[in-house]
Amino acid sequence: GQQLNQSPQSMFIQEGEDVSMNCTSSSIFNTWLWYKQDPGEGPVLLIALYKAGELTSNGRLTAQFGITRKDSFLNISASIPSDVGIYFCAGQGGGSNYKLTFGKGTLLTVNP
Amino acid sequence: NAGVTQTPKFQVLKTGQSMTLQCAQDMNHEYMSWYRQDPGMGLRLIHYSVGAGITDQGEVPNGYNVSRSTTEDFPLRLLSAAPSQTSVYFCASSYSPGNTIYFGEGSWLTVV
Repeated sequence: GQQLNQSPQSMFIQEGEDVSMNCTSSSIFNTWLWYKQDPGEGPVLLIALYKAGELTSNGRLTAQFGITRKDSFLNISASIPSDVGIYFCAGQGGGSNYKLTFGKGTLLTVNP
Repeated sequence: NAGVTQTPKFQVLKTGQSMTLQCAQDMNHEYMSWYRQDPGMGLRLIHYSVGAGITDQGEVPNGYNVSRSTTEDFPLRLLSAAPSQTSVYFCASSYSPGNTIYFGEGSWLTVV
């Protein structure tokens, strides 16, 4: 089946630093999604990407859909303590392939 | 607007017991799905449904049954619980494939 490799697994940074994480896939996706999960809660959608090469921002977050359709990255600028959580990438095949495939997550810790 | 509602939030089962995790959404979404989340594994798709009366298997369907008799509800049944089913379970829904997927807050299940 489809697999997503998400890296890094965890990051420990100082408040104010920029963060970058990425996902690569063995197969092509039509949609890339980035979610954040806070402790004890379900994932919440941060950014959705629908087109190869697309670069989308949501406040301090920026994500890009790779040209090959097999990768995506998420950047967080000027991190703050509330950015702490687990970030997941997810790919969706499109058409009749409704299934989301998730990466294993990046645990972000921000030191005030 | 309740969104996606899961019950119960926490449950402890003995091996061999059966139970049903409930999921309801009030957004008239056609697409609903169940995921399990285990440490270091990300979210893995158990079963999904593209509309009332239609269900299909995901990545890890064994040991779980689902049905979709109404648009609103998508219960997940464990017929004979096993310790390997100890996990956090998330229900999710979207209006249609490719649209924003909303997650419930999760159900923590422990099988002893």
